[in-house]
Amino acid sequence: QVQLQESGPGLVKPSQTLSLTCTVSGGSVSSGSYYWTWIRQPAGKGLEWIGRISTSESTHYNPSLKDRVIISLDTSKNQFSLRLSSVTAADTAVYYCAREDDTGWYRSVDYWGQGTLVTVSS
Amino acid sequence: DIQMTQSLSSVSAFVGDRVTITCRASQGIGSWLAWYQLKPGKAPKLLIYGASSLARGVPSRFSGSGSGTEFTLTISGLQPEDLATYYCQQPYSLPLTFGGGTKVEIK
Repeated sequence: QVQLQESGPGLVKPSQTLSLTCTVSGGSVSSGSYYWTWIRQPAGKGLEWIGRISTSESTHYNPSLKDRVIISLDTSKNQFSLRLSSVTAADTAVYYCAREDDTGWYRSVDYWGQGTLVTVSS
Repeated sequence: DIQMTQSLSSVSAFVGDRVTITCRASQGIGSWLAWYQLKPGKAPKLLIYGASSLARGVPSRFSGSGSGTEFTLTISGLQPEDLATYYCQQPYSLPLTFGGGTKVEIK
């Protein structure tokens, strides 16, 4: 059973960089046909896909955030990370890390973390 | 970007009722459609992938149908534990996009 757990500061100041880490257990971030993914949900709003990194470390980002986002893998710790720069209050959200399964005919996000609330405020 | 629209933001039903949630894509996506269940404080759960395939461990009262631009999630026999918000999502093209969500409430 794959499990994902987000960690990182719950409060970030405007203009600074939001940094979150996702620790994966029950599976390896460097093997298989998977994408390691970040998704967020502002309070009272819907889900927004931020971006993903493959096990071979190719990345794809949402164009709406592309200039501010970096997703990376740390295979030695079996983790992947999100960095979002120049944050504003609009970046306040629950951030989820997740795994997108690319092994079958249809892709889907089959495992999710519980989410972590990040508030951008001075 | 492909826009995903869930026309109902909420639906209320009795335990045991059949509940239908619809999702529309702004362009054809074949059967590239997934449904998720979100509950506060819990990890979101994959229910349906490929428009109609039941994810592992999901109760059989959940079913999905549709293709192209129109999709449906059905709960046959609503249970108290189904109180949640349900989202559709298209994995057809980047950026991945989600519907706005439909909250299921118990009468």
